[in-house]
Amino acid sequence: DAKTTQPPSMDCAEGRAANLPCNHSTISGNEYVYWYRQIHSQGPQYIIHGLKNNETNEMASLIITEDRKSSTLILPHATLRDTAVYYCIVRVNTGGFKTIFGAGTRLFVKA
Amino acid sequence: GAVVSQHPSRVICKSGTSVKIECRSLDFQATTMFWYRQFPKQSLMLMATSNEGSKATYEQGVEKDKFLINHASLTLSTLTVTSAHPEDSSFYICSAREVRGVNTEAFFGQGTRLTVV
Repeated sequence: DAKTTQPPSMDCAEGRAANLPCNHSTISGNEYVYWYRQIHSQGPQYIIHGLKNNETNEMASLIITEDRKSSTLILPHATLRDTAVYYCIVRVNTGGFKTIFGAGTRLFVKA
Repeated sequence: GAVVSQHPSRVICKSGTSVKIECRSLDFQATTMFWYRQFPKQSLMLMATSNEGSKATYEQGVEKDKFLINHASLTLSTLTVTSAHPEDSSFYICSAREVRGVNTEAFFGQGTRLTVV
């Protein structure tokens, strides 16, 4: 699976959009971009995933660049409960795929 | 989304004893389950892939005799930490993937915090 690079930490004001970047310059054509988050002392929570088109769900939006070498997770209106570690992962989506976690970005949402 | 339940959520055991952690998929069948461990302020480390009805596949550096994995049914996988020592104290997390389809997401349990004293 391709490696990802994320900033170690970010701050965001409550109510503002949180934009979390991820670089995955070695991504393969059949690899998807996945985002998870982990709130302290809990298991990871799936947020969103995409291949090449931008995606949106009730939690977030995922913007993938045209060359697919980077992506941005957008939390449109961050709340204090969004404080967590956010993991960007690229992997294939078929067969015996397994999820390998990098260091992630620790997002602090401040009042 | 699908629910994956881990039990216990916390366990304290004496050094030298064994501890079993259960991972259940509550509303779906899972041919594949994954076990992770996480140290404080570190990322999740994949330990092994558990396949129903067959032996688990362990990641490099993980002792299979130390961390016994059994996946006897499509809804249950267990991780047994044998002869636990204080250095085995960690947060253990499982995830499970549905049988149906090929593009199915894996869902995570809430984790088990193991403290060996």
